[in-house]
Order: sequence, then C-alpha cells, then structure tokens
Amino acid sequence: GQNIDQPTEMTATEGAIVQINCTYQTSGFNGLFWYQQHAGEAPTFLSYNVLDGLEEKGRFSSFLSRSKGYSYLLLKELQMKDSASYLCAVVDSNYQLIWGAGTKLIIKP
Amino acid sequence: GAVVSQHPSWVICKSGTSVKIECRSLDFQATTMFWYRQFPKQSLMLMATSNEGSKATYEQGVEKDKFLINHASLTLSTLTVTSAHPEDSSFYICSAPGQGDIYEQYFGPGTRLTVT
Repeated sequence: GQNIDQPTEMTATEGAIVQINCTYQTSGFNGLFWYQQHAGEAPTFLSYNVLDGLEEKGRFSSFLSRSKGYSYLLLKELQMKDSASYLCAVVDSNYQLIWGAGTKLIIKP
Repeated sequence: GAVVSQHPSWVICKSGTSVKIECRSLDFQATTMFWYRQFPKQSLMLMATSNEGSKATYEQGVEKDKFLINHASLTLSTLTVTSAHPEDSSFYICSAPGQGDIYEQYFGPGTRLTVT
C-alpha cells in the first residue's frame, strides 16, 4: 500500500530552527509537496521537490532524497505565526496526491 | 496566482436535510477539481475527483448517492451532501490543479459543515 509518515507533533522555540521529516512509500513518484495549514483554513503551498537536493525559499527549505524515500522541511528563524500543521504530499504514478497526516508545529516564545 | 473560492464558508443544518457547497475557479478554467474532507486533527481525505462534462470518480468508501458532485462548467463544481447526519460534520475543501509544469493544487478556503 501507499504510506506517508510524518511526526504527529513538534515543539520549537521562537527564533530557532526546526526540521520536519517525511518518509514515503508510494507506487511511483512524480514529486513531493509541502503545504502549511493553519487551524480552520485551507492548506497553502510551500514547496515542491521532484529532483534530489535542497530547494531554498526564504526562511523555508525543502530537501528530497528519492532513493531513500525521504524529505524534510526546514524552517529557520521561527516566528509565532509559523505555528501550524505542515502536510507532506506525494504525487504517485497515477498523478494522484497521497497525503501525510500532517505535523502540528507548536512555537513557544 | 490562481484563486479558488468556496461558498458557503460555514453552514449549520438539521439532520436529514441536504446542503450544497460550491467550488469556483476564479481566474482559470479547471476541467478537474478535487473534493476533500478533513476531520479535526486529521489530514485531508480525498473524497472524489470532479470532472467537467462527465461523472465524478469517487474514492473507495465514499457513497456517491450521498455526496452528489456536479461539475457544471469549467469554473464550477458543486458537492451536495444529501440527508446529512451529525457524522457528516466536517471541514470540506475543494482544490483545482494548477496550470503550470508542476501538479500544484490550489485550494479553496474550505466549508465548515455542522449537522445538528
């Protein structure tokens, strides 16, 4: 079956750095997304990786290793507004999005 | 960027009634739209894929006679929850794929349904 694993919850301090991991086993691979979702709101796009390596976008970076079925989202200089759920999603061989359960990130002052 | 709207943003209805949720792509055409349901503290669950001009494709375990989907035009898809029950209370989100090279999804703001 298809499976995406993320930690359920993480806690970090304002101003610090946090890494949220995602491992996947899917039938085929056509890219991996990270989305941010605040409570009661729809997800918003953060990043997309289809090739191995690190993609940097401001305070957020995303890394992919296809051979390991592994990705991480790195958040730097954490701000209180970064408190949200972070969803990892993989596009499989049928171009279907397979969603992880999400990681709830709690930022403490 | 592309914008997807949903209406209503929240609705309360009585058990046994039907509720219609609209999903519109505002500045682009969408031949395909996706309907998700999200229960508290859980991830998105794909319910069905809405296809303009043809029948929707439902995920396993989703009752097509209960969740009616109509993709009436290239910018509008509707989800009707028929004979709603309290267990149907959830956050319903639609999305449409982007027009670019990657398979990015543009999400509507979601509809909070509460069935009493």
